[in-house]
Amino acid sequence: AQTVTQSQPEMSVQEAETVTLSCTYDTSESDYYLFWYKQPPSRQMILVIRQEAYKQQNATENRFSVNFQKAAKSFSLKISDSQLGDAAMYFCAYRTLRGSQGNLIFGKGTKLSVKP
Amino acid sequence: DVKVTQSSRYLVKRTGEKVFLECVQDMDHENMFWYRQDPGLGLRLIYFSYDVKMKEKGDIPEGYSVSREKKERFSLILESASTNQTSMYLCASSLLQGFHGYTFGSGTRLTVV
Repeated sequence: AQTVTQSQPEMSVQEAETVTLSCTYDTSESDYYLFWYKQPPSRQMILVIRQEAYKQQNATENRFSVNFQKAAKSFSLKISDSQLGDAAMYFCAYRTLRGSQGNLIFGKGTKLSVKP
Repeated sequence: DVKVTQSSRYLVKRTGEKVFLECVQDMDHENMFWYRQDPGLGLRLIYFSYDVKMKEKGDIPEGYSVSREKKERFSLILESASTNQTSMYLCASSLLQGFHGYTFGSGTRLTVV
């Protein structure tokens, strides 16, 4: 069974600085999807960025980018020019391509604080 | 935009009560999910459904049941609420497959007293 591990329960970053959140996963599959979700205090889970495993190019969405290392099974999230609104819980997630259900498997999350 | 609406944001129920948590999505998604979120434990899958009247157990189905009579609606039922079911409950929906991830509702914080 696939597992997702986020080894940093909490992190802190100064406003305007860059922070990297770590995520590793375990799978025997070769094709899958990876996601980062953000959950602000309002509780609404928001998709931040996603990556297809067969693509070598790292995904980028504005200030958010990933470092996808398939062989190492690593999928870290980099937030550049951190803003106060980036403070939230961040969840890494894995989705299989096999089967019709394609359930997301989540890590336990990293709580990011942004200091002004 | 896909919307997933959970009927209650906060709910307080008594031990032993039967509790219904409702979730409605408006984008014709096949899959619907119920998760429970607790500090330090992340999101744990309770039940999911990939079609009307279909349901599958997730990782922690004990004490819960679900109902999906219509494609857009997925209900989570606590047959006899207990204090250890005090938690945040998140509903989500998704297309059957693909590079889409989930769309989540805003969550229901349930307190059982």
